[in-house]
Amino acid sequence: AQSVSQHNHHVILSEAASLELGCNYSYGGTVNLFWYVQYPGQHLQLLLKYFSGDPLVKGIKGFEAEFIKSKFSFNLRKPSVQWSDTAEYFCAVPSGSGNTGKLIFGQGTTLQVKP
Amino acid sequence: KAGVTQTPRYLIKTRGQQVTLSCSPISGHRSVSWYQQTPGQGLQFLFEYFSETQRNKGNFPGRFSGRQFSNSRSEMNVSTLELGDSALYLCASSLGTGGAYGYTFGSGTRLTVV
Repeated sequence: AQSVSQHNHHVILSEAASLELGCNYSYGGTVNLFWYVQYPGQHLQLLLKYFSGDPLVKGIKGFEAEFIKSKFSFNLRKPSVQWSDTAEYFCAVPSGSGNTGKLIFGQGTTLQVKP
Repeated sequence: KAGVTQTPRYLIKTRGQQVTLSCSPISGHRSVSWYQQTPGQGLQFLFEYFSETQRNKGNFPGRFSGRQFSNSRSEMNVSTLELGDSALYLCASSLGTGGAYGYTFGSGTRLTVV
């Protein structure tokens, strides 16, 4: 069964620091990959997604992620974080291959940005 | 266009009662999925509906059920509520079924069981 692992559970950074959040998945076939963000008191919002093509994916608010198939990884990056990036971040992948609406989420990483 | 709408936003129920949560997907979206979010277990998949048919079901007891109507709106029902059912219940809609379509989430229904 597909699984998703996020290495960092709680990250604290100062404004302008660079961010990299790790995400590894277990399935070796064709994958679609997602990063979602949940700001305090708000709903899950899609940051970016990878379906195929260029492994470097750019999302909203200056975030990007790189799909490395050989490492089963899809790490999220941002060169310079802002206080407003304080949120919980989730990596997700559909279960198995083929058509399924079942998303497997990582445990989430709480990012706290100090002003 | 309007996003995914979940009602009610907050709900307090007593153990043993049942509850029905509602989700209206984005117009044109035919797939609806439900998730339970808790601090301890994170986000866990409950079920997925597409064109009124349940396509996938997560590892939850039979007390959790759902359905989808012809207009793609969906409801989930939890019977005989337990304290452990307290959670944020999220609904997500998609154009079709399959990872390539992406998913848009609603704000959720916060259920508290006392």
